[in-house]
Amino acid sequence: DAGVTQSPTHLIKTRGQQVTLRCSPKSGHDTVSWYQQALGQGPQFIFQYYEEEERQRGNFPDRFSGHQFPNYSSELNVNALLLGDSALYLCASSLQGDSGNTIYFGEGSWLTVV
Amino acid sequence: DAKTTQPPSMDCAEGRAANLPCNHSTISGNEYVYWYRQIHSQGPQYIIHGLKNNETNEMASLIITEDRKSSTLILPHATLRDTAVYYCIVRVSGTYKYIFGTGTRLKVLA
Repeated sequence: DAGVTQSPTHLIKTRGQQVTLRCSPKSGHDTVSWYQQALGQGPQFIFQYYEEEERQRGNFPDRFSGHQFPNYSSELNVNALLLGDSALYLCASSLQGDSGNTIYFGEGSWLTVV
Repeated sequence: DAKTTQPPSMDCAEGRAANLPCNHSTISGNEYVYWYRQIHSQGPQYIIHGLKNNETNEMASLIITEDRKSSTLILPHATLRDTAVYYCIVRVSGTYKYIFGTGTRLKVLA
């Protein structure tokens, strides 16, 4: 049973560019959350998708957007990249996002903005 | 917002029990406490979670105080491979937002 898979694992972008990161949830999971983790810090919640809609958002600007597909996979898009967007982006999946369900994380996508 | 507080670092001798505390005094009554660890900035690895009763699995034990304001993760026989940053997280009540603290950097010493 594959866990949460993310792609790409590493990428380098230039300031002002746009990036798309992808996530496939663990089999059977229907809820996907995205987190940003800057070096030396804990992960910060970006948003959560359920039933193809964003149902919760953290304190991130509109440059951060996402999408969930009918097969529950998800994309994170970041526009107009800034140097400060350099971080590890983590995808987490769970069943319905209800408290008490186990949440699994992928290995992340390392984004470097130059 | 829900918040967790953990000591920034701890050392533990190999083979001894590692006890990692977490304060979550603002947790609401129906929210679980989750524990994860992260090694070399890989993705966080699930360890255990609980609501009010103590929990045990093959990796660890979780002790939650009766008032639910704090918990302790216990690694019964720490090994060098347990060296990692350990996070306890809780969900903000009424939302789907989980809050990570800064975590505890556990170093297991040979």
